[in-house]
Amino acid sequence: GQQVMQIPQYQHVQEGEDFTTYCNSSTTLSNIQWYKQRPGGHPVFLIQLVKSGEVKKQKRLTFQFGEAKKNSSLHITATQTTDVGTYFCAVNYGGSQGNLIFGKGTKLSVKP
Amino acid sequence: GAVVSQHPSWVICKSGTSVKIECRSLDFQATTMFWYRQFPKQSLMLMATSNEGSKATYEQGVEKDKFLINHASLTLSTLTVTSAHPEDSSFYICSAPGEIRATDTQYFGPGTRLTVL
Repeated sequence: GQQVMQIPQYQHVQEGEDFTTYCNSSTTLSNIQWYKQRPGGHPVFLIQLVKSGEVKKQKRLTFQFGEAKKNSSLHITATQTTDVGTYFCAVNYGGSQGNLIFGKGTKLSVKP
Repeated sequence: GAVVSQHPSWVICKSGTSVKIECRSLDFQATTMFWYRQFPKQSLMLMATSNEGSKATYEQGVEKDKFLINHASLTLSTLTVTSAHPEDSSFYICSAPGEIRATDTQYFGPGTRLTVL
C-alpha cells in the first residue's frame, strides 16, 4: 500500500538546538498534514500544506512542502522542553474521504 | 475548536470478552469518522472508516467481524472489539474530519487504552 517515509525515527537534542524531521513520498501528494503527539496523549493537528513550495511558520516551527509535492519538512528553531513529543506527517492518498496514512513519526527528546 | 471525545479512556478486560469504545463529536456533526490503532512506540494505523448510515470500510488486514463498527448517528461511532485477546491490547483512537472539507483538519479523540489480560 501507499507509504510515507519519515526520518529520523528519534532525535535527541540539547535545549536551544534546532530540530528537523522529514517526510518523503514516492508519489505526488495533494496535501500533507503535520501532527504532534505528546507522551501518553493523542495526535494534535499542527498544520496542513497544500501548495507546491509552500512554507508556513508557527512561531518557532517552520513547515515546508517540496516543489514536486513529494516531500515535506518540519523545522523547530531553538527547541524547548515543551517541544518534546512525537511529530507525525500524514497524507491523504485518496480512497475514503479524509483518511490519513501516517508516517512512523519522529520522537523528539530535549535535554534541559 | 471542534472536540471529539472517547469513552472509556482506558479499559482492562479478560481474554475472550468484548469491549465497546465510543467516539463522539461534541460540537459538530461527523458523517465520517476514522478508527486508528497505535501499538507502543509505533505510528497510528488506520483500521476503518465509519460511515453514518452505512457499512464501515475496513483497511486491508483488519477483520470486520472482530472489530465491529456502528455509526448510529451524526455524532456517535462505536468500535466493538469482539472476543478480545492479548494481542488486541493497544491504543485505539478515533478522529473526525473538519466540517468544511474532508481533507481538512482531523480532530482526534483522546484515545482508549485497551489491555487484554
